[in-house]
Amino acid sequence: ETGVTQSPTHLIKTRGQQVTLRCSSQSGHNTVSWYQQALGQGPQFIFQYYREEENGRGNFPPRFSGLQFPNYSSELNVNALELDDSALYLCASSLKLAGETQYFGPGTRLLVL
Amino acid sequence: QKEVEQDPGPLSVPEGAIVSLNCTYSNSAFQYFMWYRQYSRKGPELLMYTYSSGNKEDGRFTAQVDKSSKYISLFIRDSQPSDSATYLCAMSPPGGGNKLTFGTGTQLKVEL
Repeated sequence: ETGVTQSPTHLIKTRGQQVTLRCSSQSGHNTVSWYQQALGQGPQFIFQYYREEENGRGNFPPRFSGLQFPNYSSELNVNALELDDSALYLCASSLKLAGETQYFGPGTRLLVL
Repeated sequence: QKEVEQDPGPLSVPEGAIVSLNCTYSNSAFQYFMWYRQYSRKGPELLMYTYSSGNKEDGRFTAQVDKSSKYISLFIRDSQPSDSATYLCAMSPPGGGNKLTFGTGTQLKVEL
């Protein structure tokens, strides 16, 4: 059983650019959530996808968007990058929509200059 | 005021000590409580998961939940240098899907 994987591991962008981060769920998991973790802070929920549909969103602007594919892999897209978007972006997968253990990937560290 | 408050530390203890990590929360809707361990430059790893008041033990780890006080704790017995990490509490309400609300994390260092 493979764990949650994310790519790339590190990324440097400049303000105003767009970025796409990728996540492969743990085998058999149909739910994926994305979190943003700023330095020295706990992860903050961005949104969740279940069977290719967004199902729940945190307090993040629309320039944060996502996709989930039929194989349950996922993308996080961020448009018009701001300096405050610099953070570790974590993907977590679980077996179903609620009440199940979430397994986190290692994260993508994004630096916006 | 944050929904979940956690002392960020850092907390430094000698090897073999009992460690107590704590979180308080304000949202009485939270019913599921978790503790995650996060090593530097890694994703969080689930340590304990509970959904009721009381104690839950797993090896050297004990999770305690007091819903009446809105207070949860994680105890680590016989702490080891390999326990050095950031410990995050997380919680969610029923019907909240997998949306977790995390504390800021407590940085723990266990010294030889």
